[in-house]
Amino acid sequence: QKEVEQDPGPLSVPEGAIVSLNCTYSNSAFQYFMWYRQYSRKGPELLMYTYSSGNKEDGRFTAQVDKSSKYISLFIRDSQPSDSATYLCAMTYPGGSYIPTFGRGTSLIVHP
Amino acid sequence: DTAVSQTPKYLVTQMGNDKSIKCEQNLGHDTMYWYKQDSKKFLKIMFSYNNKELIINETVPNRFSPKSPDKAHLNLHINSLELGDSAVYFCASSSRQGGDQPQHFGDGTRLSIL
Repeated sequence: QKEVEQDPGPLSVPEGAIVSLNCTYSNSAFQYFMWYRQYSRKGPELLMYTYSSGNKEDGRFTAQVDKSSKYISLFIRDSQPSDSATYLCAMTYPGGSYIPTFGRGTSLIVHP
Repeated sequence: DTAVSQTPKYLVTQMGNDKSIKCEQNLGHDTMYWYKQDSKKFLKIMFSYNNKELIINETVPNRFSPKSPDKAHLNLHINSLELGDSAVYFCASSSRQGGDQPQHFGDGTRLSIL
């Protein structure tokens, strides 16, 4: 089992839909959780960054962490065609020289 | 003004050749990274430098040699290119080392080996 599992999709939704993207992980030591968005032929860009459990909201985006279930989610409200991209989750330990462990990304297509 | 810039964007070359990829960040960050993204989109860390010092060197063939002339630059030289080296190589930086530091990525260098 990989440390971080993420369904590659593609996930296709109509414009305006609520999108739910998810990752599961096996290492209970992970404390920091990130979501990156990657457009085609571009580098990943940081979208959301959370520490430990709970919710964080930023505009149409909400990141949710459930450490007891080792499950994180990214919700996108009122999805737009411009949200079409690959979404990668990443997670890591605090301090040291630890590098985030990335999921393989979920491809999201929002059609008009 | 691009925060993390890589050159070239595309690199098409033949097996056995030697090539270099350059990366520069203007964010004032201390730590820089090289990642390899394969066709299945997995991002795998290759190297990490903190203030020009190598701090992470994953299991990468020694044909790959990173060089950091200063903390704003991290270059990657690849000798004797092989078919399996075809991938997208991303440079990234963070303000300091530590797993809790968000990373800023360049737009990648697409390497194709013929």
